[in-house]
Amino acid sequence: NAGVTQTPKFQVLKTGQSMTLQCAQDMNHEYMSWYRQDPGMGLRLIHYSVGAGITDQGEVPNGYNVSRSTTEDFPLRLLSAAPSQTSVYFCASSQTPLYGYTFGSGTRLTVV
Amino acid sequence: AQSVTQPDIHITVSEGASLELRCNYSYGATPYLFWYVQSPGQGLQLLLKYFSGDTLVQGIKGFEAEFKRSQSSFNLRKPSVHWSDAAEYFCAVGVRGSGGSNYKLTFGKGTLLTVNP
Repeated sequence: NAGVTQTPKFQVLKTGQSMTLQCAQDMNHEYMSWYRQDPGMGLRLIHYSVGAGITDQGEVPNGYNVSRSTTEDFPLRLLSAAPSQTSVYFCASSQTPLYGYTFGSGTRLTVV
Repeated sequence: AQSVTQPDIHITVSEGASLELRCNYSYGATPYLFWYVQSPGQGLQLLLKYFSGDTLVQGIKGFEAEFKRSQSSFNLRKPSVHWSDAAEYFCAVGVRGSGGSNYKLTFGKGTLLTVNP
């Protein structure tokens, strides 16, 4: 099993550019989430989904959009990149949250 | 709103010594509690979880944690630390969102563990 796959692993953007971070899982998990990790801040929830067609905002949703058209994929879109969005982004999935989440290996994004 | 506090930003222990990482949570009901470990440049790996039953839970890599409702704590322990345990450790609380069926995970800010030879 591939688990949770995130692409790209590294990305540099210019301020104002848009891009999509990809996340795919092959475990047929219903729950998927996007987190950002910043030094000294832990992980903060951006958006999450409890199934195809259902998404909701997390703690820090501004500047990001998500959609969930299939169970497998949960892309994160940056609409107009800002330096404050420089971070490491993690996607995670779970069939049942009581069992914990499986995390991808992350995307390191730098906005200049 | 729920919150998680990990009081220790950085802990250093000697190899073979015992370890306890502290975690306190704030939540009105019984939470779902987790410990994750992150090695440098890697994603997070689940060490153990608690949501009901026995308050002492066993996890992978020889770790255990004890849920103490009276203290709102879920501390992680290991009797003898190995050099490979050096990593960052995150405590997390899971709570139901609006509507009852949603679910969100809130993380603490992490504790960095250094292991001296």
